[in-house]
Amino acid sequence: LAKTTQPISMDSYEGQEVNITCSHNNIATNDYITWYQQFPSQGPRFIIQGYKTKVTNEVASLFIPADRKSSTLSLPRVSLSDTAVYYCLVGGQYSGAGSYQLTFGKGTKLSVIP
Amino acid sequence: EAGVTQFPSHSVIEKGQTVTLRCDPISGHDNLYWYRRVMGKEIKFLLHFVKESKQDESGMPNNRFLAERTGGTYSTLKVQPAELEDSGVYFCASSQEGWGRRNTEAFFGQGTRLTVV
Repeated sequence: LAKTTQPISMDSYEGQEVNITCSHNNIATNDYITWYQQFPSQGPRFIIQGYKTKVTNEVASLFIPADRKSSTLSLPRVSLSDTAVYYCLVGGQYSGAGSYQLTFGKGTKLSVIP
Repeated sequence: EAGVTQFPSHSVIEKGQTVTLRCDPISGHDNLYWYRRVMGKEIKFLLHFVKESKQDESGMPNNRFLAERTGGTYSTLKVQPAELEDSGVYFCASSQEGWGRRNTEAFFGQGTRLTVV
């Protein structure tokens, strides 16, 4: 199981670019890296997924170095509404009972300040 | 398209009572998952349905928890009898494909906050 390590919390001013780095030193060859966002009183929401190099969508960018032992979620020009907890997930954990599960860590609590 | 919906949004019950949580997945999603976060802890897997069958219930904490998905549509999670430690937020998620090494995008509901007093 590839364990992930993220900062517990981050603060940023509005309009800044925010980069959240996740370490996953024992990522498996076939594992993908996925980021979820969770607002208070809501369920997690898929943001972006990647395997290597760079992935970009309308919400964020994901940078993955060649060794894949870490990844960085980049949020351009954050606003107050980006205040949330961001989870980095790696692969799926096989439960041994015929199913893979998402394994959530503690996540990074991002606070955007006016 | 409607997302994953959960009912109720919040439930407060006394210890020993029974509570039933409901989840309506996105139409057409065969895979349905229940997760929960108890106070101060991480979000943890409970179980996984593929259509009406329980694919994996290794995360269910004990036999006071019973999940069903009759007809492969909505699912219910019953806690009977509820204990104080069952308090937390229960999330339901659905996806078109099952998760593997590559995480198929999962859609989560807003969660049901359960408070046992």
